[in-house]
Amino acid sequence: DTAVSQTPKYLVTQMGNDKSIKCEQNLGHDTMYWYKQDSKKFLKIMFSYNNKELIINETVPNRFSPKSPDKAHLNLHINSLELGDSAVYFCASSYRTGGPGYGYTFGSGTRLTVV
Amino acid sequence: ELKVEQNPLFLSMQEGKNYTIYCNYSTTSDRLYWYRQDPGKSLESLFVLLSNGAVKQEGRLMASLDTKARLSTLHITAAVHDLSATYFCAVDKVAGNMLTFGGGTRLMVKP
Repeated sequence: DTAVSQTPKYLVTQMGNDKSIKCEQNLGHDTMYWYKQDSKKFLKIMFSYNNKELIINETVPNRFSPKSPDKAHLNLHINSLELGDSAVYFCASSYRTGGPGYGYTFGSGTRLTVV
Repeated sequence: ELKVEQNPLFLSMQEGKNYTIYCNYSTTSDRLYWYRQDPGKSLESLFVLLSNGAVKQEGRLMASLDTKARLSTLHITAAVHDLSATYFCAVDKVAGNMLTFGGGTRLMVKP
């Protein structure tokens, strides 16, 4: 009965490969996010979608392409993986302004290791 | 650009002692959040502070917010080993927009 679920939990892949991470939330939230946590534990927003519409796109290489088929799902596809992409990627969800609740709920994270 | 700074970044303390983690942010924001992260785990929400002067307590942790000073504190009372974790503060400039995180405070509580 996980609120925000990500798959896979671990991903080890070679440089140059293409990989995807999937995220689903069952909280009824209308906004979903991808955050990257680097080796120093620093967390930075990458993308945000509100009701399938991209609303935040930080300075992320265009090798990263998010897709939201509906407001409960947000996927992240990464092309031509590089060593520097190794990190933990967290999906999160929330209500946009004026929603019935507040707060952000995070998934368990996907640890990506590029070798 | 909204910036969030935490200090200290690393804190080693003995059980039974008190300490405070500080979180400064650079521009007016709607809400201040505190999260806990255990190694290899997700972020667990601890507190959401909504207004100036807000104070919330849960067990040995107490968080407060001073919006005029753009400062939040997380006070630890009589620390125990189970509190060892990394603590993050985060701010959303517009409620529900996105979170900007501080650098985290790694807390180690020694017996």
